[in-house]
Amino acid sequence: SQTIHQWPATLVQPVGSPLSLECTVEGTSNPNLYWYRQAAGRGLQLLFYSVGIGQISSEVPQNLSASRPQDRQFILSSKKLLLSDSGFYLCAWDTGTASYEQYFGPGTRLTVT
Amino acid sequence: SQQGEEDPQALSIQEGENATMNCSYKTSINNLQWYRQNSGRGLVHLILIRSNEREKHSGRLRVTLDTSKKSSSLLITASRAADTASYFCATDAGANNLFFGTGTRLTVIP
Repeated sequence: SQTIHQWPATLVQPVGSPLSLECTVEGTSNPNLYWYRQAAGRGLQLLFYSVGIGQISSEVPQNLSASRPQDRQFILSSKKLLLSDSGFYLCAWDTGTASYEQYFGPGTRLTVT
Repeated sequence: SQQGEEDPQALSIQEGENATMNCSYKTSINNLQWYRQNSGRGLVHLILIRSNEREKHSGRLRVTLDTSKKSSSLLITASRAADTASYFCATDAGANNLFFGTGTRLTVIP
């Protein structure tokens, strides 16, 4: 069966520090991968998606970047965090077929102080 | 923006009652999905309805889709305290990603 992992679960970082969040998927090959951010009490904002290794599409300009060094690994990074980067970050995957049902990881709660 | 809008933003009901949540969207879609999110957790897929379908059932869930009105509803029958969560609709217009609404926060009082 497929599983998706995200870590860390929670993170408190000072403004200006770097960030690296990791997401890995098991039990599937060639998944589409997604990074979302969710502000408190709000909906999901798509940040990045990837249809293959090294292929990253960015949905909104921001202080963040994403990389996909391996088929089932998706990394969200920042060189210098801003206060506005605080939020709940969710990684998701789908099979890339017509159903587009997405499977979400448990999320990372990031607080920038 | 294609993003859906759920209505109401928050809903509080007694256990055993039915809960109805609505979603409106702006552009043509291939399908519409409903997801559930427990507080501080990831989203879980509940049900998908295609643009050529009008109604779909899954257990205590009933979803309707009216493409002429660009709206969908999610009905949870005989609610339970464990149904307390936020519910999101998500639309797919054929691109590589889904557009999520802002969610309805459902509280079921035991």
